[in-house]
Amino acid sequence: EAQLVESGGGLVQPGGSLRLSCAAFGFTFSSYEMNWVRQAPGKGLEWVSYISSSGLIYYAESVKGRFTISRDNAKNSLYLQMNNLRAEDTALYYCVRDRLVPDMWGQGTMVTV
Amino acid sequence: SYELTQTLSVSVSPGQTAFITCSGHGLENKYTCWFHQKPGQSPVLVIYQDNRRPSGIPERFSGSNSGNTATLTISGTQTMDEGDYYCQAWDNNAVIFGGGTKLTVL
Repeated sequence: EAQLVESGGGLVQPGGSLRLSCAAFGFTFSSYEMNWVRQAPGKGLEWVSYISSSGLIYYAESVKGRFTISRDNAKNSLYLQMNNLRAEDTALYYCVRDRLVPDMWGQGTMVTV
Repeated sequence: SYELTQTLSVSVSPGQTAFITCSGHGLENKYTCWFHQKPGQSPVLVIYQDNRRPSGIPERFSGSNSGNTATLTISGTQTMDEGDYYCQAWDNNAVIFGGGTKLTVL
């Protein structure tokens, strides 16, 4: 079954760092663009970052300079390195497959700052 | 920066048609997606590229995009359709989400 499974969330002090991972199963991960999207408790969806299949990268202004997205196609995995974390980064972080047809979301991993 | 505006809430009776709108400058020139999220669950894609339905999404869900407004239409709304709906579009190499619309079916 095709799915995405996030991990790496947790409780961290302001100014601290975390590395989120997203493992892809059941599809050809290397062929897909990927995104990170977050949702603060009780709030709406907020896009965080994008990486193309070839490594083109974009970030939301709110995380630019602090977060780094990357992928390892050999390990079918997507990552989000988060540095200098702030209270406003507290959210459930989802990895999402594809840009034009974003039809697969993971269950999310919670980050509390 | 680009913004997408959604009505905060929509209420319909079971069997009625629900219209959920998403407004943004020149939105008709961008592809719009719609997601449905129930409490405690991950969002589910219900419409992509303005009016295409992913496999497994009921035919009662449809979409349109004209002028500055994209519309998600749910015909014959069912209680299982309750939840939050978010529109999404790309602008200037960034993903933009609308603020969400809470659909109540009662």
